Amino acid sequence: DAKTTQPNSMESNEEEPVHLPCNHSTISGTDYIHWYRQLPSQGPEYVIHGLTSNVNNRMASLAIAEDRKSSTLILHRATLRDAAVYYCILRRDNAGNMLTFGGGTRLMVKP
Amino acid sequence: KAGVTQTPRYLIKTRGQQVTLSCSPISGHRSVSWYQQTPGQGLQFLFEYFSETQRNKGNFPGRFSGRQFSNSRSEMNVSTLELGDSALYLCASSRSRGAEQYFGPGTRLTVT
Repeated sequence: DAKTTQPNSMESNEEEPVHLPCNHSTISGTDYIHWYRQLPSQGPEYVIHGLTSNVNNRMASLAIAEDRKSSTLILHRATLRDAAVYYCILRRDNAGNMLTFGGGTRLMVKP
Repeated sequence: KAGVTQTPRYLIKTRGQQVTLSCSPISGHRSVSWYQQTPGQGLQFLFEYFSETQRNKGNFPGRFSGRQFSNSRSEMNVSTLELGDSALYLCASSRSRGAEQYFGPGTRLTVT
């Protein structure tokens, strides 16, 4: 299975944009890029996913490199509530709902 | 719309016992997946059910089993509990396979 590499932790200031990087150099053509986050004492929460094109939703934007070997989750204005562990996950198209979580990036937001 | 519900929320068992955990998916969701979360191993996939059939299984021993009912509700069972089974067990549901998954709050299992 293709793996993802994320920084262990990042810091951001409240109301500033946050760019969370993810490297996935062994991604295959049928791998979808998913992002989930886990707030303290809660189950993971879906953020966004994409295949080749950049994606936007109400929570975040996902920028996918042209060669798909990396991607960036963008939070446009960080709030204290965005402090969480963010997981970048590759899901193969034929793998159904099986998600392989890595260590994720712990995002700390300073007021 | 109600979210994913898991019962019980907390459970204490002793080694050698068995336990059954329950998950009710969001109404209309047909896929249910289970995950184990521990400080050492992180989040690990256990199994996925869709239309009452197990579709995927993670790398866990046969002591871990599950099933899905016709109303999409799911249960997972762990037999002959070991200390290492102490973990947060999370259930997630989705409308279809491959769609975004919605996680429940989890069941915290402690094995003594």
